[in-house]
Amino acid sequence: AQSVTQPDIHITVSEGASLELRCNYSYGATPYLFWYVQSPGQGLQLLLKYFSGDTLVQGIKGFEAEFKRSQSSFNLRKPSVHWSDAAEYFCAVGGMNTGFQKLVFGTGTRLLVSP
Amino acid sequence: GAVVSQHPSWVICKSGTSVKIECRSLDFQATTMFWYRQFPKKSLMLMATSNEGSKATYEQGVEKDKFLINHASLTLSTLTVTSAHPEDSSFYICSAREGLRAGVNQPQHFGDGTRLSIL
Repeated sequence: AQSVTQPDIHITVSEGASLELRCNYSYGATPYLFWYVQSPGQGLQLLLKYFSGDTLVQGIKGFEAEFKRSQSSFNLRKPSVHWSDAAEYFCAVGGMNTGFQKLVFGTGTRLLVSP
Repeated sequence: GAVVSQHPSWVICKSGTSVKIECRSLDFQATTMFWYRQFPKKSLMLMATSNEGSKATYEQGVEKDKFLINHASLTLSTLTVTSAHPEDSSFYICSAREGLRAGVNQPQHFGDGTRLSIL
């Protein structure tokens, strides 16, 4: 069965510093990978997605993620964090095994940004 | 583009009443919509997959008689929590997937969620 692990429950980063959020997945076929961000009391916004091709994916708000098949990872990065980036971040996996239907989410990483 | 509207955003009601939550795709057609439940500080739990014109597919452990789902058009799905009780209090989020053809892999776009509080 597919699963997603986000090992860091919360991370604190200084404003202006770089950020990397970890995501590891388990999937029986070629995965389709997503990163979503959730602000308090709101739904999820898609940051970026990987389906195929270039393993370095660019997303919105200056985020990028790199798919590494050998490590079963899809870590999210940003070179310089802004205070408005403080939120909950979810990694998700889906794909052919679920008929392109279901997404399995990780437990999320809460990002705190210090001044 | 790809906006999903969810209504209401917050509802408080008495135990025993039924509550209907709407999920609309505003600028695209969605044959498939999804309903999730999110507990505080927890991840999203898929409750059911809603397919336009057919019965919803419920995940294991989700009571289909408690959580009624209707997907009457390509832009609207509704979740009705019947005879709600305090344990049904939660944050419910819907999502919609673009694309009319099965197998077309498109990301899910999420609504802003509905905070349901049962007294």
